[in-house]
Amino acid sequence: ELKVEQNPLFLSMQEGKNYTIYCNYSTTSDRLYWYRQDPGKSLESLFVLLSNGAVKQEGRLMASLDTKARLSTLHITAAVHDLSATYFCAAEDSGNTPLVFGKGTRLSVIA
Amino acid sequence: KAGVTQTPRYLIKTRGQQVTLSCSPISGHRSVSWYQQTPGQGLQFLFEYFSETQRNKGNFPGRFSGRQFSNSRSEMNVSTLELGDSALYLCASSLSTGGYEQYFGPGTRLTVT
Repeated sequence: ELKVEQNPLFLSMQEGKNYTIYCNYSTTSDRLYWYRQDPGKSLESLFVLLSNGAVKQEGRLMASLDTKARLSTLHITAAVHDLSATYFCAAEDSGNTPLVFGKGTRLSVIA
Repeated sequence: KAGVTQTPRYLIKTRGQQVTLSCSPISGHRSVSWYQQTPGQGLQFLFEYFSETQRNKGNFPGRFSGRQFSNSRSEMNVSTLELGDSALYLCASSLSTGGYEQYFGPGTRLTVT
């Protein structure tokens, strides 16, 4: 059974600093997703990572995937307040199984 | 292109009642999945429908059911509501089943009193 673990679950960081959120999954996964959720809102898709070594970047966020280590990272560069949100990673172990989500990382960027 | 829409957005029900939530997928999307989000359990998969057939089901009691219509719109029903059913219910649509990216709707916030 696929399990997805994120850490840290809570992250308070200063503006301008860098940090990384980690997402480990327990079995082989076809693809890895990162989502952002603002309070009271739905999930916004950030990245879809499809293969080993995949790296995607959008603004101050960069996601990578290491399928051998069963690890994905979401790196935040020079954080700004607007990045405050909860970030989820999700994986699926084959094309016909549902997404399994991590518990989310609640990020708070403070001045 | 319009996104996924869910109705109603907010709902307050009493224990023992039943509720029906609706989801309209993005035009052209044929797969609809439902998730329950609670502070304690996080995001949990309920079920997926494709071509009016349930393809996958999560670990929820039989009080939770769903269906999909020929136009890909989907409904989920919860009967005999319990306090623990209070949650944000999210619907996601994708082009097809089997590993296609899912796009989430705004959710329905259900409160059971």
